[in-house]
Amino acid sequence: ETGVTQTPRHLVMGMTNKKSLKCEQHLGHNAMYWYKQSAKKPLELMFVYSLEERVENNSVPSRFSPECPNSSHLFLHLHTLQPEDSALYLCASSQDLSYEQFFGPGTRLTVL
Amino acid sequence: DQQVKQNSPSLSVQEGRISILNCDYTNSMFDYFLWYKKYPAEGPTFLISISSIKDKNEDGRFTVFLNKSAKHLSLHIVPSQPGDSAVYFCAANLRTDSWGKLQFGAGTQVVVTP
Repeated sequence: ETGVTQTPRHLVMGMTNKKSLKCEQHLGHNAMYWYKQSAKKPLELMFVYSLEERVENNSVPSRFSPECPNSSHLFLHLHTLQPEDSALYLCASSQDLSYEQFFGPGTRLTVL
Repeated sequence: DQQVKQNSPSLSVQEGRISILNCDYTNSMFDYFLWYKKYPAEGPTFLISISSIKDKNEDGRFTVFLNKSAKHLSLHIVPSQPGDSAVYFCAANLRTDSWGKLQFGAGTQVVVTP
């Protein structure tokens, strides 16, 4: 595997379900990000981790819970989501919180 | 409040011609600007960038122009090729404390026709 990978690529869940999104980067980076992209809207930064410590939480509802166990892995735990949370969730990584971020292919999430 | 705006959601251009994508921003504290390209079912990939101390950066067929007084940047692709058909995102970096935060535009869908 190379670059940034995300699993699953597609996820359909009910509002009462609990699921997790996984991101893995194979670039040796030390910063990782979660973004949300809704239709026709800009990418919205959700969480930033640097050296496995959270440095930014962009006022994201608590039904989204990130976890960064090491510098290569990032999770987004989901519970009791709402239909408006349906979106493309993108993971990215970078070296030292630099400007150039490398993105994964995203997880297309649908909440019924 | 959206600080980076791409007012053209789509652009159609003939193969071989020039594609010009525009981006406007409102925050004069942005210090670095980037363009990302996104194909369907893939994540955005970095294309080209420019520092706020420059007004032009060129990389092969891609040139980015920055007009700080107008708070405007543009991406020129010449000549356009069918493989350039993608969504292009403009992003600006706002340096806060010890790190930078990227603000993205909503994207412009480019279609290059034969």
